[in-house]
Amino acid sequence: GAVVSQHPSWVICKSGTSVKIECRSLDFQATTMFWYRQFPKQSLMLMATSNEGSKATYEQGVEKDKFLINHASLTLSTLTVTSAHPEDSSFYICSALRQGRSSNQPQHFGDGTRLSIL
Amino acid sequence: SQQGEEDPQALSIQEGENATMNCSYKTSINNLQWYRQNSGRGLVHLILIRSNEREKHSGRLRVTLDTSKKSSSLLITASRAADTASYFCATDATGANSKLTFGKGITLSVRP
Repeated sequence: GAVVSQHPSWVICKSGTSVKIECRSLDFQATTMFWYRQFPKQSLMLMATSNEGSKATYEQGVEKDKFLINHASLTLSTLTVTSAHPEDSSFYICSALRQGRSSNQPQHFGDGTRLSIL
Repeated sequence: SQQGEEDPQALSIQEGENATMNCSYKTSINNLQWYRQNSGRGLVHLILIRSNEREKHSGRLRVTLDTSKKSSSLLITASRAADTASYFCATDATGANSKLTFGKGITLSVRP
């Protein structure tokens, strides 16, 4: 169990386009989801924490108007990269925590979305 | 900001050998987790070790935690070519509300 689906797996689009990435927990409910960004051969950098029914919490230096997060249900969080530019090209990964579990539990990751802005 | 620092940064071994990877961190933690990432994919959870635990096993994996030294190690025994991947340690710091801080990662290559 604990499957997280992320869609699309890759996207190529023109500069100025807005891109939406979906993160779904398929077999569990997730009150909390996380969005990360990863540059080639580097570690994961947390962008924001997404809580169902409330506003996302953004990490320092992450523009909330640039990276819009919506967590409208217990199984779906979306990240929209608005007016994307080449510097936004990266690998974006989401993860989810099972609802109701105590602390000391792992995060369950999607397979990532490779975003390339031309 | 990154908390975990793994070493070595890259490791190349022969199939059948053991691989040991180390991780150091800076703050107090609730738990420490190890993840694996195959190229271009998401992360797969391997083991979670709580701050009051010293050692944990899962199949060919053995993780130790020394909170006095703020360090952890991941041992993969009898390595296989399929173990080739990047390995990350991640800390759930005290008061962080389950947010993880990842290390830079270790690239493991297992030669067949």
